[in-house]
Amino acid sequence: KQEVTQIPAALSVPEGENLVLNCSFTDSAIYNLQWFRQDPGKGLTSLLLIQSSQREQTSGRLNASLDKSSGRSTLYIAASQPGDSATYLCAVSSSNTGKLIFGQGTTLQVKP
Amino acid sequence: EPEVTQTPSHQVTQMGQEVILRCVPISNHLYFYWYRQILGQKVEFLVSFYNNEISEKSEIFDDQFSVERPDGSNFTLKIRSTKLEDSAMYFCASSLQVLPSPLHFGNGTRLTVT
Repeated sequence: KQEVTQIPAALSVPEGENLVLNCSFTDSAIYNLQWFRQDPGKGLTSLLLIQSSQREQTSGRLNASLDKSSGRSTLYIAASQPGDSATYLCAVSSSNTGKLIFGQGTTLQVKP
Repeated sequence: EPEVTQTPSHQVTQMGQEVILRCVPISNHLYFYWYRQILGQKVEFLVSFYNNEISEKSEIFDDQFSVERPDGSNFTLKIRSTKLEDSAMYFCASSLQVLPSPLHFGNGTRLTVT
């Protein structure tokens, strides 16, 4: 059974720092991995999607990497800003129905 | 940018009552999903839906749950007889293709069962 774990559970950094969020999954047979952002009381906003054949994806200050064989992904946020404060969720797709298995998230606080 | 719309944003109901949560997916999307998040817990998959039928469901999605696409725009989740443990945030999502498209989520309906 696929399990997704995110470390750390919470992170507080000063504005301007570069940071890395970690995601691990137990079954390397995945179709893709998706990173989401969740603001309090809101839905999930898709940030980056990495296909199983890809190693990384970039969008602006965000870079996500995937090492399928070791069951790991990282989300790198460059030059963090207070507006980046949110919970970041990692999710993997292990079936061709689009079902996602989520981690518990990392809650990020960027202090001005 | 097109978005997934969910109504209502908050629903309070009494145990044993039926509730219908409504979603309008992005118009050209073909795959539809319901997820839920109990307070403080992970987001959990409930069901995926394509071509007017369920393509996968979780063990949570028992006989008390049903989904329907009654017309060309709406996608609904019905809980027949709500229990206290059904209290959660329910998210609808849609995607253009099952793979490799990303899922787009709505803002959720907070269901409180008293």
